[in-house]
Amino acid sequence: QQQVKQSPQSLIVQKGGISIINCAYENTAFDYFPWYQQFPGKGPALLIAIRPDVSEKKEGRFTISFNKSAKQFSLHIMDSQPGDSATYFCAAAGGSNYQLIWGAGTKLIIKP
Amino acid sequence: DAGVIQSPRHEVTEMGQEVTLRCKPISGHNSLFWYRQTMMRGLELLIYFNNNVPIDDSGMPEDRFSAKMPNASFSTLKIQPSEPRDSAVYFCASSSMGYTQYFGPGTRLTVL
Repeated sequence: QQQVKQSPQSLIVQKGGISIINCAYENTAFDYFPWYQQFPGKGPALLIAIRPDVSEKKEGRFTISFNKSAKQFSLHIMDSQPGDSATYFCAAAGGSNYQLIWGAGTKLIIKP
Repeated sequence: DAGVIQSPRHEVTEMGQEVTLRCKPISGHNSLFWYRQTMMRGLELLIYFNNNVPIDDSGMPEDRFSAKMPNASFSTLKIQPSEPRDSAVYFCASSSMGYTQYFGPGTRLTVL
């Protein structure tokens, strides 16, 4: 129930294309869903996050789509650039416990 | 504005030796997390402190691992004795009354 399942494990997208990474969760008590971006040799950093009261949140080229009934959320990267090449982690959390439950990560490569 | 500080950045040691990893969280943050990252197991939460008190240490692999937070500005993760399977990148992260976690640059540990 505490798991967050992330797919795909790796993804190759052409420059200018749309990158899509998906996550699914089971625990309906989760009410915070962030995406973190990690470059090689660095720690993960918060990219964008969503609460379940909205179905979509957009920040620049990055969009989270959230489907509460399906218990799924996804990250869309529009006009993907080589600088977006990184590992992306989804996560979920809920309640007064501030722990994040992490997905397994997706290694994204944007080909020039 | 200083972020999370970890030391050392790299550590190479021999099996059986004691290893101590150090973390200085962001000033004012009251939660601290220790993570381990490997290719095989992804990002694993080892232990979580809130207001210097360990809240959840269920992720600590075994008794060889111990963590302390003697004050709000310092934490250590100790492995004694170290084993080759402990080789990984260890991250410290901190947060302030919320879900957003700020990660340090990590310590890459190699146990020969």
